Amino acid sequence: SQQGEEDPQALSIQEGENATMNCSYKTSINNLQWYRQNSGRGLVHLILIRSNEREKHSGRLRVTLDTSKKSSSLLITASRAADTASYFCATDSTGGFKTIFGAGTRLFVKA
Amino acid sequence: DTAVSQTPKYLVTQMGNDKSIKCEQNLGHDTMYWYKQDSKKFLKIMFSYNNKELIINETVPNRFSPKSPDKAHLNLHINSLELGDSAVYFCASTTGTGDEKLFFGSGTQLSVL
Repeated sequence: SQQGEEDPQALSIQEGENATMNCSYKTSINNLQWYRQNSGRGLVHLILIRSNEREKHSGRLRVTLDTSKKSSSLLITASRAADTASYFCATDSTGGFKTIFGAGTRLFVKA
Repeated sequence: DTAVSQTPKYLVTQMGNDKSIKCEQNLGHDTMYWYKQDSKKFLKIMFSYNNKELIINETVPNRFSPKSPDKAHLNLHINSLELGDSAVYFCASTTGTGDEKLFFGSGTQLSVL
């Protein structure tokens, strides 16, 4: 069954703007991850946040986690055309054996 | 060197045929996976293996048979292919030691005609 649900399904912004994507999940988790997928490629890991963390930064990425609401957000600041991709949240509650992905947000950054 | 490599990248075949997809990782990881991504980009876990042993089988039809000859390899054999099997299949691996970041292969696009 699908664990994560991303919102919005698609997002179109201008270069330089910030992009925010949200993810909701259903069951308790050990960690939540965000991945990026460029067209025709495999997924690439962006950032992992553990269930006891509330916020994490990596470069232009900021991830928040609210376990009480079972939700997370990914903020990409100062977006670039190269950020155009699909972004997926993924959760794991088994210690590494079953990472479940949401349906993804398609981000399009216009130059 | 490619960390997780899968072959072939494209596979076009007729209904009813049997085909295999191979996956190899050179990261020294203990856990490997097969995921299926459909035309709507939804990514669904199929199998996970840890140290050559099957851990997760997500109600995949038994026409799909994974095989792990060693920790570095996880192959997927599909019998009697059906139209609905058309998708992109991704292999992935992880350490399984607490840092659960997945490393993905570039995918195998399977088209069943």
